Amino acid sequence: KAGVTQTPRYLIKTRGQQVTLSCSPISGHRSVSWYQQTPGQGLQFLFEYFSETQRNKGNFPGRFSGRQFSNSRSEMNVSTLELGDSALYLCASSLGLGTSAYNEQFFGPGTRLTVL
Amino acid sequence: GQQVMQIPQYQHVQEGEDFTTYCNSSTTLSNIQWYKQRPGGHPVFLIQLVKSGEVKKQKRLTFQFGEAKKNSSLHITATQTTDVGTYFCAGPGSGGSNYKLTFGKGTLLTVNP
Repeated sequence: KAGVTQTPRYLIKTRGQQVTLSCSPISGHRSVSWYQQTPGQGLQFLFEYFSETQRNKGNFPGRFSGRQFSNSRSEMNVSTLELGDSALYLCASSLGLGTSAYNEQFFGPGTRLTVL
Repeated sequence: GQQVMQIPQYQHVQEGEDFTTYCNSSTTLSNIQWYKQRPGGHPVFLIQLVKSGEVKKQKRLTFQFGEAKKNSSLHITATQTTDVGTYFCAGPGSGGSNYKLTFGKGTLLTVNP
């Protein structure tokens, strides 16, 4: 079974631009969660989508948004990029909600975003 | 909001020594998950603990969930160089339907061969 895929793997943008990241979950998985990973803050939860609905949201500004399509693929958008948005963006898929018991999350390789 | 703290932040051991990382939550957890991230890689699910006082073993790894479901530990016996990486714990709050998975900052384990 293919794993979680994320595109692109690397991205360089300048301040003020916007970016869209894509995540394809494991076949059959309905939940996709997005995380931001930085050396200082660690892994921080952005949001989770389940059956095309946002189920949970982390403490990030409205510049960060996402959506999920009927095939469970998900996209994350960051508008008006800031230098501090430079990070590794990881998505994780699972059968059920990411926080539920007896549920395993599978992470993708991540998209490394650099904002200049 | 909920906080999940891990100690130590770093641990360097000689190959063959044991290693333990501890995870403490400010709130009761309905379950706790452990992940390992190799340098340059992505987090990989190791295990999930659900029951109070639960202990699970995976070869040289032993995972424990505290009786109060607010703390957990991961113990590695006789470390090997393949154990190198950052170990994260993660947990949701308990109750309600609108909770998120909060990760600890992780413990970076390095092993000297």
